[in-house]
Amino acid sequence: ELKVEQNPLFLSMQEGKNYTIYCNYSTTSDRLYWYRQDPGKSLESLFVLLSNGAVKQEGRLMASLDTKARLSTLHITAAVHDLSATYFCAGAPPTGSGSRLTFGEGTQLTVNP
Amino acid sequence: EAGVAQSPRYKIIEKRQSVAFWCNPISGHATLYWYQQILGQGPKLLIQFQNNGVVDDSQLPKDRFSAERLKGVDSTLKIQPAKLEDSAVYLCASSLITGRTYNEQFFGPGTRLTVL
Repeated sequence: ELKVEQNPLFLSMQEGKNYTIYCNYSTTSDRLYWYRQDPGKSLESLFVLLSNGAVKQEGRLMASLDTKARLSTLHITAAVHDLSATYFCAGAPPTGSGSRLTFGEGTQLTVNP
Repeated sequence: EAGVAQSPRYKIIEKRQSVAFWCNPISGHATLYWYQQILGQGPKLLIQFQNNGVVDDSQLPKDRFSAERLKGVDSTLKIQPAKLEDSAVYLCASSLITGRTYNEQFFGPGTRLTVL
């Protein structure tokens, strides 16, 4: 059974700083998703990573996937207050083995002025 | 394109009462999911439908939870009777297809259930 762990669970950072959120998963997964959730809101899809070495960037966020290490990272560059939210990674079993997403616990990010 | 619709947005009930949630997926999306998100945790899949058939309900507490998707479009999730630990946000998601390709799931706004 796929297990997904994120760290840190809580992250408080200053505007302008860089930081990385880590997502480890326990068994083979060829699809890794990153979602953003604002308080009281639903999940917004950020990135879908489909292959080893995949890297995707959108604004100040960059996500990467290393399937051999079973690790995905979400890197934040020059953080701004608008990035304050909870970020979830989610893994899916290999294609053809179902599509259930297993979510990590989430990383609650607070960006302070 | 309209997103995933859910209602009600909020519901407060007493334990042992019954409650039902409704979901309308994105038009054309064959796969529909119900997730339970307890405060401070990531969403957990309860049940997955492909058209009107159940694909995965292994994590659905079947003694009290039930779900149906008539005609392969809208879906309802019911809890009967509710327990205190059912307090959570119930998220509905839909995706285009599943299995052969990656299935990006689009989430609705959720229904926040409080059981007193």
